[in-house]
Amino acid sequence: GEEVAQTPKHLVRGEGQKAKLYCAPIKGHSYVFWYQQVLKNEFKFLISFQNENVFDETGMPKERFSAKCLPNSPCSLEIQATKLEDSAVYFCASSPPSDTQYFGPGTRLTVL
Amino acid sequence: SQQGEEDPQALSIQEGENATMNCSYKTSINNLQWYRQNSGRGLVHLILIRSNEREKHSGRLRVTLDTSKKSSSLLITASRAADTASYFCATDPSGGGADGLTFGKGTHLIIQP
Repeated sequence: GEEVAQTPKHLVRGEGQKAKLYCAPIKGHSYVFWYQQVLKNEFKFLISFQNENVFDETGMPKERFSAKCLPNSPCSLEIQATKLEDSAVYFCASSPPSDTQYFGPGTRLTVL
Repeated sequence: SQQGEEDPQALSIQEGENATMNCSYKTSINNLQWYRQNSGRGLVHLILIRSNEREKHSGRLRVTLDTSKKSSSLLITASRAADTASYFCATDPSGGGADGLTFGKGTHLIIQP
């Protein structure tokens, strides 16, 4: 497709529950990125992939966050045992081999 | 850690006026990009300026980059109500495609009709 698709649009989880977010990058784009935006403020980079390989995961809280981009499947970001501070909008972006990233509409995660 | 800082944090102007937003950053960059975020939506890429460029234009947008001062500015001329949004600068340290961007905190722009 010509747009980055993210599902679900909204996700509500109780503290301690698992959350899984999905991203379908634009067809033909080699790179996928995940960002976290808390309270409409700055975007925090989490992780990037080059095809199905992790390229940079320096932003990931590794204890509870994991991500995958497998061939012929949407990419996913999973949070085990969610905490209140995980409440945020999670954006996925993709790019061809260039410097411009194309963002999806985001998934709003609310942890109660 | 977050390095971009936009200034001002919020800006309210009349339709038709020009809006200027500034961005400062701390480390060396390959390029700097400006994005717009409408309320509750994703980011829309506006313009990219490389470290060897000083100024770039796209429609009503003008971006400048001063690498010696580690700063950039975004000028929107003849503003319209539809320009109401948050604007973020983002820096790319090395280019090449797979680097995560470092975003500033954003400037919230309100265009009064």
